[in-house]
Amino acid sequence: GAVVSQHPSWVICKSGTSVKIECRSLDFQATTMFWYRQFPKQSLMLMATSNEGSKATYEQGVEKDKFLINHASLTLSTLTVTSAHPEDSSFYICSASVASGNYEQYFGPGTRLTVT
Amino acid sequence: GNSVTQMEGPVTLSEEAFLTINCTYTATGYPSLFWYVQYPGEGLQLLLKATKADDKGSNKGFEATYRKETTSFHLEKGSVQVSDSAVYFCALSDHGGGFKTIFGAGTRLFVKA
Repeated sequence: GAVVSQHPSWVICKSGTSVKIECRSLDFQATTMFWYRQFPKQSLMLMATSNEGSKATYEQGVEKDKFLINHASLTLSTLTVTSAHPEDSSFYICSASVASGNYEQYFGPGTRLTVT
Repeated sequence: GNSVTQMEGPVTLSEEAFLTINCTYTATGYPSLFWYVQYPGEGLQLLLKATKADDKGSNKGFEATYRKETTSFHLEKGSVQVSDSAVYFCALSDHGGGFKTIFGAGTRLFVKA
């Protein structure tokens, strides 16, 4: 149980275009989803926290107009990278959790974005 | 604020050697502690966890004990295998932090045959 999927697993896009990444909880309802960014050989940097039906909370330094997050249902959150540039190339990972006592998050497999 | 510090890598060991990866944390509340593993080109997998002081998490021969007095959660394995080569992340999450998970920098482990 507790499987999180991401789609696509990798994507290449041209500079200036927008890319949408989906994160789904397959067998549970996720009250909260998180989006992370990971640069090569580095740790995960939390970008934003989203709760179903409300606006995402962005971490300091993350442009909310560039990284649009929508959490329309308890099983789906999307991250849209708008007007992508080569510096947005990265590994994007989502996670999902249920508000409970163990605070465990379930991670998706990640999406590798390359902007040319 | 909350933070996690883990030993820098890379760590290179021979097969069957003993592994320790140190992890210490700073938290204002009572966090849950985790170790995640990331194999090349893949996402994170939960390796083990502990939710309260003195709990021991274990999985696949790996162990870590939640030490509140030393604010530590060191990862250990008695005999590593080549297949254990990966990056290991120590992490914490607590209600006071809004369930956010804070990750350490990661420690890359290479195991030689």
